[in-house]
Amino acid sequence: QQPVQSPQAVILREGEDAVINCSSSKALYSVHWYRQKHGEAPVFLMILLKGGEQKGHDKISASFNEKKQQSSLYLTASQLSYSGTYFCGTERNNAGNMLTFGGGTRLMVKP
Amino acid sequence: SQTIHQWPATLVQPVGSPLSLECTVEGTSNPNLYWYRQAAGRGLQLLFYSVGIGQISSEVPQNLSASRPQDRQFILSSKKLLLSDSGFYLCAWSKPLRNRDEQFFGPGTRLTVL
Repeated sequence: QQPVQSPQAVILREGEDAVINCSSSKALYSVHWYRQKHGEAPVFLMILLKGGEQKGHDKISASFNEKKQQSSLYLTASQLSYSGTYFCGTERNNAGNMLTFGGGTRLMVKP
Repeated sequence: SQTIHQWPATLVQPVGSPLSLECTVEGTSNPNLYWYRQAAGRGLQLLFYSVGIGQISSEVPQNLSASRPQDRQFILSSKKLLLSDSGFYLCAWSKPLRNRDEQFFGPGTRLTVL
């Protein structure tokens, strides 16, 4: 079952913050976050494994709620380089590396 | 360091023609390998997953097949292409014997079926 991402698209000015959500109707074993620039391959951002976990580097962080049914990606003080489409990939049924990806959130950062 | 290659980069094929896309990984042994398809403006759909030579799991039943003839080579094939097979095909790898790990994607093949 595909996770639901929201919003589908967001436009920001440089320096503004954004939150992207990834939700599932069932508990997940893990959540992966990737960013894809137009016409390029997706690039790994981070993976969350435990309920209540929070991770981050630079100004991009993510959380995994206690029930392990929702993850959020936080983009702080956005930069032009943050533009792209963000995908969450979820692992269900203890499937390890076999991920189901959401439909993506298109983020555009303007000067 | 590890690198992943895909070819061709772009392909235009008529409906009903065969398909062969190739993916190779350098700099690692026994990687986990994946084939994904991405329709225009959509998310990634896992097609095939392999943990070793000859070991392939299929996620979605369709007219595509995959083979892993060598440790670091992954091939996606079709005997007869459909219009719905158009899309961006991505190969990825992850470290062997590791679960829930980062996946490294190749540059992709953009397939147009006419």
